Amino acid sequence: NAGVMQNPRHLVRRRGQEARLRCSPMKGHSHVYWYRQLPEEGLKFMVYLQKENIIDESGMPKERFSAEFPKEGPSILRIQQVVRGDSAAYFCASSLSLNGQGSFEQYFGPGTRLTVT
Amino acid sequence: DQQVKQNSPSLSVQEGRISILNCDYTNSMFDYFLWYKKYPAEGPTFLISISSIKDKNEDGRFTVFLNKSAKHLSLHIVPSQPGDSAVYFCAASAAGNQFYFGTGTSLTVIP
Repeated sequence: NAGVMQNPRHLVRRRGQEARLRCSPMKGHSHVYWYRQLPEEGLKFMVYLQKENIIDESGMPKERFSAEFPKEGPSILRIQQVVRGDSAAYFCASSLSLNGQGSFEQYFGPGTRLTVT
Repeated sequence: DQQVKQNSPSLSVQEGRISILNCDYTNSMFDYFLWYKKYPAEGPTFLISISSIKDKNEDGRFTVFLNKSAKHLSLHIVPSQPGDSAVYFCAASAAGNQFYFGTGTSLTVIP
């Protein structure tokens, strides 16, 4: 039973390039979340998606960042025209359900460490 | 706007003793709380959760206490083991919406 998978684990991009981060949720999970962890900081929520829908993107920067979770395939976090400040660890998490009954813990992937040079 | 705060960035405890990690929150609408453990270069791992209808939840060596009036929760680990050394994050959500994470507490258990 594979957990949440993220690739690549490490990504180096020059300023101005695009970064694409992929996340495959746990089997049976239809909710995906993206978080960013800057050095010396906690996890910051970015976006919450269900299949083909963005539910909450209140944590996403208004420009250059986008996310999708297509009907088939992994969720993608896309960062256009990267800048040095985008260097961080990006974590994806998935869960079964967000309804208040029962547990809805989020299970995290190992993260993608993005370095912008 | 940090709605979930972990004011102690680090904590050192002797093996076998109790570790107490604290977390405070500001949003009275939060009704579900979780603790995660994170090793370097890995994603956070779910540890234990508690809903606002309870004030205590126990799972083996881990117990989470919730004080709603003080908007405070704590994670107790007893007895502490060297393998518990990691960064611990608390997280909270309201009505199943996004989770807000604290900045983490780095626990070191000294053998």
